[in-house]
Amino acid sequence: DQQVKQNSPSLSVQEGRISILNCDYTNSMFDYFLWYKKYPAEGPTFLISISSIKDKNEDGRFTVFLNKSAKHLSLHIVPSQPGDSAVYFCAAKDRGGSNYKLTFGKGTLLTVNP
Amino acid sequence: DAGVIQSPRHEVTEMGQEVTLRCKPISGHDYLFWYRQTMMRGLELLIYFNNNVPIDDSGMPEDRFSAKMPNASFSTLKIQPSEPRDSAVYFCASSTTTGPNQPQHFGDGTRLSIL
Repeated sequence: DQQVKQNSPSLSVQEGRISILNCDYTNSMFDYFLWYKKYPAEGPTFLISISSIKDKNEDGRFTVFLNKSAKHLSLHIVPSQPGDSAVYFCAAKDRGGSNYKLTFGKGTLLTVNP
Repeated sequence: DAGVIQSPRHEVTEMGQEVTLRCKPISGHDYLFWYRQTMMRGLELLIYFNNNVPIDDSGMPEDRFSAKMPNASFSTLKIQPSEPRDSAVYFCASSTTTGPNQPQHFGDGTRLSIL
């Protein structure tokens, strides 16, 4: 029973265009969400996060949007660059559980074509 | 600064053998996590420690898996006996306690293949 779902296993975009990666969750107790980026043969690295009290957080080319009523969040990358090609994981923290326990989605492979 | 260091990077062994994966967290980090990544289940938390004490091992799949943290700079994940279905990439991560929303820092993983 996946509580964090990334329904698109892969996404391909052209360099310079917008990349939108989506994530849905089912647990209404999730209060903090994170995006991690993973290159082949490396571990995931933290990218950006958002608290459930906000609906948007921006960091340079990366923006995360949270729609609590829809239990949906998305990561926007503008403009996309070939170096952004990686697997992106959505993760969530349960306010009712440990502050340090994250539930991850299965990831979306983003390919940015030059 | 050195990140989380895992060894070995790759391990190939035969079914039934004991496997030991090693992790050195970032110095000063109080939390250490072990994850497993598979195609079927994605990235799942196996166990995590706080100040060397196991806090939650509910993700450990079965008694064949055990984890220890004898000191603040070293942890092991052991599988005995190993089975082909244990083949996966195992990640170790660490974080600080300066706030519940501190991101976790991952090592580059150990790719384990059980034949």
